Amino acid sequence: KAGVTQTPRYLIKTRGQQVTLSCSPISGHRSVSWYQQTPGQGLQFLFEYFSETQRNKGNFPGRFSGRQFSNSRSEMNVSTLELGDSALYLCASSLGLAALNEQFFGPGTRLTVL
Amino acid sequence: AQTVTQSQPEMSVQEAETVTLSCTYDTSESDYYLFWYKQPPSRQMILVIRQEAYKQQNATENRFSVNFQKAAKSFSLKISDSQLGDAAMYFCALNSGGSNYKLTFGKGTLLTVNP
Repeated sequence: KAGVTQTPRYLIKTRGQQVTLSCSPISGHRSVSWYQQTPGQGLQFLFEYFSETQRNKGNFPGRFSGRQFSNSRSEMNVSTLELGDSALYLCASSLGLAALNEQFFGPGTRLTVL
Repeated sequence: AQTVTQSQPEMSVQEAETVTLSCTYDTSESDYYLFWYKQPPSRQMILVIRQEAYKQQNATENRFSVNFQKAAKSFSLKISDSQLGDAAMYFCALNSGGSNYKLTFGKGTLLTVNP
């Protein structure tokens, strides 16, 4: 069974631009969660999507948004990029709600904002 | 709010020896889950072990075991017979569960295994 995949793996953008990251969960998994990893703040929860609905959200500004499609694939969008958005963005999938199920992580997308 | 603290930014161990990574946490919930995740240099995060708070018995997965002290809010990871492949960043994480899911990670401990 294929693991969680994320595209692209690396991305370079400039301040003010917007970016869309994609995550394909393990087949059959219905929940996708997103995390931001930086050296300073560590790993922080962004949001979780389950059955195309956002179930939970972390403490991030509205510039960070996401969605989930009927095939459980998820996208995360960051608008008006800031230098501080440079990070590794990880997604994780689980069979059911992340609160109750083991999560499987993807390799991440490395975003650099110049 | 829930917090997770890993007080050891870096640890090292000799191959075949035992090492213990520390983690303390704080939550107001009575029902929660604790995890140790491993992130090797390739960056793919892997679940090492999980512990349900309502279980008194410490979780064990092969060479990995935890010492869960609920009253002290402590959750340490012991790695026995350390192998070179154990070298990675280890994250302790807390999930208070329920409908208000939020997985909170510690800052991580970088484990080096010396041959």
